[in-house]
Amino acid sequence: AQSVAQPEDQVNVAEGNPLTVKCTYSVSGNPYLFWYVQYPNRGLQFLLKYITGDNLVKGSYGFEAEFNKSQTSFHLKKPSALVSDSALYFCAVWGANNLFFGTGTRLTVIP
Amino acid sequence: EAQVTQNPRYLITVTGKKLTVTCSQNMNHEYMSWYRQDPGLGLRQIYYSMNVEVTDKGDVPEGYKVSRKEKRNFPLILESPSPNQTSLYFCASSAQDQPQHFGDGTRLSIL
Repeated sequence: AQSVAQPEDQVNVAEGNPLTVKCTYSVSGNPYLFWYVQYPNRGLQFLLKYITGDNLVKGSYGFEAEFNKSQTSFHLKKPSALVSDSALYFCAVWGANNLFFGTGTRLTVIP
Repeated sequence: EAQVTQNPRYLITVTGKKLTVTCSQNMNHEYMSWYRQDPGLGLRQIYYSMNVEVTDKGDVPEGYKVSRKEKRNFPLILESPSPNQTSLYFCASSAQDQPQHFGDGTRLSIL
């Protein structure tokens, strides 16, 4: 069965500092992984995905994610955080015609 | 503009009064899905549809019905709503093997 875990409910980072939002996965077979972002009163917006290929995936708004097979992780990163990056972030894995989501991590970027 | 449109955005109703949440997409996507979002649980799939007249249960289908008579529409029906169905609902659509596009959500409160 597919699942993802986001171990941190909340991440705080100062503006301009690098940020990391953690995600680990459990899948049978090859993982098909996603990151989505949710702003207040809005639906989820796609940031990036990993299917195969390079372990470093680049996405929207300057975000990237690092796939690590040995650690079964897919952490979201950004070199320099912006206040406007404050939002709720979801990691997800695709399987059985379903997108399995983590519980979400609320990122707060402090000016 | 490519979009997934849900209506209503907000609804307060009472136990047992049938309601329908509409979802429409203008991207000619085959795949559509409904999720509910609850604090601490992330998003969980209710039902999905691979194409017209093809629907199947997700993780939490109890108390819900769906139909897919046209490719663009995928309504969610609560025949006899109960308070435990108070939640934030999202409709999503995608082409095969592509990221899902999400609507802006419908907040249901069932008293």
